[in-house]
Amino acid sequence: EAGVAQSPRYKIIEKRQSVAFWCNPISGHATLYWYQQILGQGPKLLIQFQNNGVVDDSQLPKDRFSAERLKGVDSTLKIQPAKLEDSAVYLCASRPSGRNTGELFFGEGSRLTVL
Amino acid sequence: QKEVEQNSGPLSVPEGAIASLNCTYSDRGSQSFFWYRQYSGKSPELIMSIYSNGDKEDGRFTAQLNKASQYVSLLIRDSQPSDSATYLCAVESGGSYIPTFGRGTSLIVHP
Repeated sequence: EAGVAQSPRYKIIEKRQSVAFWCNPISGHATLYWYQQILGQGPKLLIQFQNNGVVDDSQLPKDRFSAERLKGVDSTLKIQPAKLEDSAVYLCASRPSGRNTGELFFGEGSRLTVL
Repeated sequence: QKEVEQNSGPLSVPEGAIASLNCTYSDRGSQSFFWYRQYSGKSPELIMSIYSNGDKEDGRFTAQLNKASQYVSLLIRDSQPSDSATYLCAVESGGSYIPTFGRGTSLIVHP
């Protein structure tokens, strides 16, 4: 079974530029999460999708971050304009629907450096 | 604000010893608890989940949950150098399906 795919793996941009990250979850996984992990910290939720609907985006900085999940499968996270403090690894994770399924399956992450 | 607290470490133990990792959480409505391992430069991977008070054992790993004290721990027996990683505690409130992660504890197992 293929895992969660993310791209690009690495991206270096200058502040005020824009960047987009792509995620393809495991087939059949209805729930998709984007987390931001700053060096030395735990993952922080940005947004959760259930199929193609947003469940929670309360911690998404909506003035600069946006995310969508087309047709309930792939998802894109965009940052525009980027700030220095956006330097982090952006982790996409998916999970099957259902109670107590527990495990989040993470992609390899997209590492962003903002100069 | 739901909080999950972990000592960042590093926790250093000799090979073969028991490593004890601790986590406290603020939301009394939390129902699902997870331990993820994250190697440097890699993504988190689940090693244990626990949902009810008491102990849950899986090989060298034992998760312990005490909801009254809002405390969850992970014990690693016969620690190996390959166990050296950051261990993330994640807590999920009933019905939200949104894990909140702690900052992680760095474990170093030295030969």
